[in-house]
Amino acid sequence: DAGVTQSPTHLIKTRGQHVTLRCSPISGHKSVSWYQQVLGQGPQFIFQYYEKEERGRGNFPDRFSARQFPNYSSELNVNALLLGDSALYLCASSLVQDYGYTFGSGTRLTVV
Amino acid sequence: EDQVTQSPEALRLQEGESSSLNCSYTVSGLRGLFWYRQDPGKGPEFLFTLYSAGEEKEKERLKATLTKKESFLHITAPKPEDSATYLCAVLSGSARQLTFGSGTQLTVLP
Repeated sequence: DAGVTQSPTHLIKTRGQHVTLRCSPISGHKSVSWYQQVLGQGPQFIFQYYEKEERGRGNFPDRFSARQFPNYSSELNVNALLLGDSALYLCASSLVQDYGYTFGSGTRLTVV
Repeated sequence: EDQVTQSPEALRLQEGESSSLNCSYTVSGLRGLFWYRQDPGKGPEFLFTLYSAGEEKEKERLKATLTKKESFLHITAPKPEDSATYLCAVLSGSARQLTFGSGTQLTVLP
């Protein structure tokens, strides 16, 4: 079975630009969460979606937004990129809300 | 606010030298404590979930235990391939997300 897939794997953007990151959950998983991990720290929660509805939001500015599609895949959008947005962005899926999170390999975003 | 503290930040072991990693937590109603392994540039790989104090789980050279305030990840006779960052995370009753510690970077020397 395919695990959680994220695209692209690496991305370089310029300050002020917009970026869209994509995530396909494990087949049958209905919950998708997004995390940001900066070097040397643990992942920090950004969003959770379950059954296409936002169920949780972390302490991130409104420049960050996300959505979940009918097939349960998800997009994370970040507007007006800052240098501090450079990080590994991780997607995690679970069968039901709040249980058994499986992470993808992440998207490495570099803002220059 | 949920808090997770991991110690030590870094640990260097000789192959075969057993040790333990610590994860201290403060949560309002623990729903689960998770251990993950993370290799450089990769996403976290699930190891264990513990739900209640006294619970223990084992997988190969790893054993995780849980008390009301902390969890330990015991590594018995480690091998160089066990080198990675080990992350601890909690899921609380009031939150909809995992709260992670900063991790312990383990290096096992041959």
